[in-house]
Amino acid sequence: QITLKESGPAQVQPTRTLTLTCTFSGFSLNISSVGVGWIRQPPGEALEWLAAIFWDDGKRYSPSLQGRLSITKDTSKDQVVLTMANMDPVDTGTYYCAHLDWLHNFDSWGQGTQVIVSS
Amino acid sequence: SFELTQDPAVSVALGQTVRITCQGDSLRVYYATWYQQKPGQAPVLLLYGKSNRPSGIPERFSGSTSGDTASLTITGAQAEDEADYYCNSRDSSGNHPWVFGGGTKVTVL
Repeated sequence: QITLKESGPAQVQPTRTLTLTCTFSGFSLNISSVGVGWIRQPPGEALEWLAAIFWDDGKRYSPSLQGRLSITKDTSKDQVVLTMANMDPVDTGTYYCAHLDWLHNFDSWGQGTQVIVSS
Repeated sequence: SFELTQDPAVSVALGQTVRITCQGDSLRVYYATWYQQKPGQAPVLLLYGKSNRPSGIPERFSGSTSGDTASLTITGAQAEDEADYYCNSRDSSGNHPWVFGGGTKVTVL
């Protein structure tokens, strides 16, 4: 059974950098075609894909946020870390990590972590 | 930029059929993937490919595509189907591999 759990600060100040960790179990990021993605959702709004990392350390970023994002993996800890620089109040929302299957579908999701950007 | 357009809300009587649409140019080339999100919960993968359901997804959910429009059909809607539904696909250039639609709120009357 695949499980994922997001962790990180509940609140971050504007202009600061947000660091979120996704800790997973039930799969390994050493396996071909597997990946982990990050998706966020502002309150009452739609889902927005942010970044993804794959078993071979391939990385993809949302074109609109690419300059602010960095995604890394630590296979020894079964973790994926997302950093987002220069946070703004519009970045407030719930941040999810999700498992990417071999078809690149998000087939298992974490429960999400709420992030408020405020001074 | 590439976009997927969904109707904001639809309603359906209990036991009836409802179709949710998703429009975007790349749907002429790529299938849509559909996610269901209930209030306060994480999204769940609902449909992928031509009309494939992950294990545990009821048969009343099905998908289709015509031209630039993908559809999710719920045949015999149940009270527990009241949720937000999001379509997802990629843009043709490959620069944006996961684009989500704006979501459709389904109310079961």
